[in-house]
Amino acid sequence: GDSVTQMEGPVTLSEEAFLTINCTYTATGYPSLFWYVQYPGEGLQLLLKATKADDKGSNKGFEATYRKETTSFHLEKGSVQVSDSAVYFCALIPYSSASKIIFGSGTRLSIRP
Amino acid sequence: NAGVMQNPRHLVRRRGQEARLRCSPMKGHSHVYWYRQLPEEGLKFMVYLQKENIIDESGMPKERFSAEFPKEGPSILRIQQVVRGDSAAYFCASSPTDDYEQYFGPGTRLTVT
Repeated sequence: GDSVTQMEGPVTLSEEAFLTINCTYTATGYPSLFWYVQYPGEGLQLLLKATKADDKGSNKGFEATYRKETTSFHLEKGSVQVSDSAVYFCALIPYSSASKIIFGSGTRLSIRP
Repeated sequence: NAGVMQNPRHLVRRRGQEARLRCSPMKGHSHVYWYRQLPEEGLKFMVYLQKENIIDESGMPKERFSAEFPKEGPSILRIQQVVRGDSAAYFCASSPTDDYEQYFGPGTRLTVT
């Protein structure tokens, strides 16, 4: 079945460092791809999304490009801030089921001042 | 426009008791989804409902769990005879249609003692 695999955490970086969180997926057809962020004690917020191959989603300095040839959707940010500390989830909605989001296991990110 | 509301935010139950979790979708949203997040794991889809209808319950455990979304009032996720393994965070999401972004609530953290 469809699935998402993402880099295990925790990831600890210093402020202003470059961030990459790897995400690969397995799916039939053309899923839509997402990154969600979960701040401590809160629900999930959509960070960015891409709905077709080669699309780039971006928001708040974060970017991810839908790479069909490598089935990847890696999250990147050029200069992280302490406020970016959170858990990041890569996710997909299968082409065949527009209602069900399939999540990766999450990557906890901690940024040191 | 208020976001997705869930209550209670924290719920403690003894083994064998019933747990009732409530979700009020965003105004104008008629589609509700429930997800479960076990400790240190990603979210797993449980059930998708529209008003008075269960559309997809493929992620619901076969026993003790049920969900409803009545014509009036919030969606309810009910867990009967809770066991320690039910301890998790339960998130509700809503959307205006089934082909649209899902907006997540803050979650209910259930602890079974």
